[in-house]
Amino acid sequence: AQSVTQLDSQVPVFEEAPVELRCNYSSSVSVYLFWYVQYPNQGLQLLLKYLSGSTLVKGINGFEAEFNKSQTSFHLRKPSVHISDTAEYFCAVIRFGNEKLTFGTGTRLTIIP
Amino acid sequence: NAGVTQTPKFQVLKTGQSMTLQCAQDMNHEYMSWYRQDPGMGLRLIHYSVGAGITDQGEVPNGYNVSRSTTEDFPLRLLSAAPSQTSVYFCASSYSAGTVTYEQYFGPGTRLTVT
Repeated sequence: AQSVTQLDSQVPVFEEAPVELRCNYSSSVSVYLFWYVQYPNQGLQLLLKYLSGSTLVKGINGFEAEFNKSQTSFHLRKPSVHISDTAEYFCAVIRFGNEKLTFGTGTRLTIIP
Repeated sequence: NAGVTQTPKFQVLKTGQSMTLQCAQDMNHEYMSWYRQDPGMGLRLIHYSVGAGITDQGEVPNGYNVSRSTTEDFPLRLLSAAPSQTSVYFCASSYSAGTVTYEQYFGPGTRLTVT
């Protein structure tokens, strides 16, 4: 089975500062990795995904993530955050050959003006 | 395309009542799933389906039933509501090719309160 750990439940960041949201996964086989964002009172929207190829993945709204197989990590980064980035961010994983998506517990990103 | 739609948006039930949460998608996706979201626990998979007529249990299936008679619809039934089922429920769908399931598209959610 696979599992996902998001190490920080809340991250406060000043506006225009950089941010990194951490995600580690556990799986005995290869995986696909995703980051989703949930704005207040809304559903989840895909930010970016890693299926194969380049380990640096760029997504929407200026976010990017790097897949590190040796450290089993998929950390999300943005060089300069805006008030509109205030949301909850979820890391998720699917094992090769499996249909089930497993989510982390989420990281609430709060932008301080 | 409307994407994934869910009804109702809000629902209050009394303990022991039953109800069906509706989910529909117009993207011809084979894979559909139901999650519940509770504070501090992320999203947990309740049931999923890889195509019409095929369903399977997820992580937290107890107290819920599903069926999939068409590609478009995947209703979730609460058989006898309990306060522990108070949650926000999300339906999702995705395209799949063989054993590969791609990114999931989520509906707006149903906020359920059981008193």
